[in-house]
Amino acid sequence: DAKTTQPTSMDCAEGRAANLPCNHSTISGNEYVYWYRQIHSQGPQYIIHGLKNNETNEMASLIITEDRKSSTLILPHATLRDTAVYYCIALRGAQKLVFGQGTRLTINP
Amino acid sequence: EAQVTQNPRYLITVTGKKLTVTCSQNMNHEYMSWYRQDPGLGLRQIYYSMNVEVTDKGDVPEGYKVSRKEKRNFPLILESPSPNQTSLYFCASSSIFAGETQYFGPGTRLLVL
Repeated sequence: DAKTTQPTSMDCAEGRAANLPCNHSTISGNEYVYWYRQIHSQGPQYIIHGLKNNETNEMASLIITEDRKSSTLILPHATLRDTAVYYCIALRGAQKLVFGQGTRLTINP
Repeated sequence: EAQVTQNPRYLITVTGKKLTVTCSQNMNHEYMSWYRQDPGLGLRQIYYSMNVEVTDKGDVPEGYKVSRKEKRNFPLILESPSPNQTSLYFCASSSIFAGETQYFGPGTRLLVL
């Protein structure tokens, strides 16, 4: 599975858009980009995933660059409850999930 | 509601006393997996199953057993727990098709004295 690189931490003001970057320069053609988050020892929560095209759901948007070497998760209107560790993972599907250090996102009032 | 459930959510036990942590999913998923999460070590896979009666070791299987007799259930068994198995455990499930999502249970916090 492709290795991903994320910033260790980020801050965002409540109500603003939070943009979380992820580099996955070695991603292979059949690997999807998945985003999960974990709020203080709760079960990891699925957010969104995509292969080539940008994706949007009720939680977030995912922007994948044309060369697929990087992506950005966008939380359009961050709330305090979005404070969590966010993980970007590249994999094909039903496989072992390897969570790196992730990005610790803090939403400030 | 589609979900993965785990029981118990919290458990304190003593060394050597056999225990089972149950995991159940209602999404008809073929793939199920157990992870443990420890500070500084991230999420590590213990065992996984691609379907009924098909199980395989993950990265840290020592001291654990699993079974998959039914599609919806994937119990984790600790025959003789030891203090180094004190951890936060998560069960996950997904369809086996590419691009599908793994869903996680709420976690089981285990303390072995």
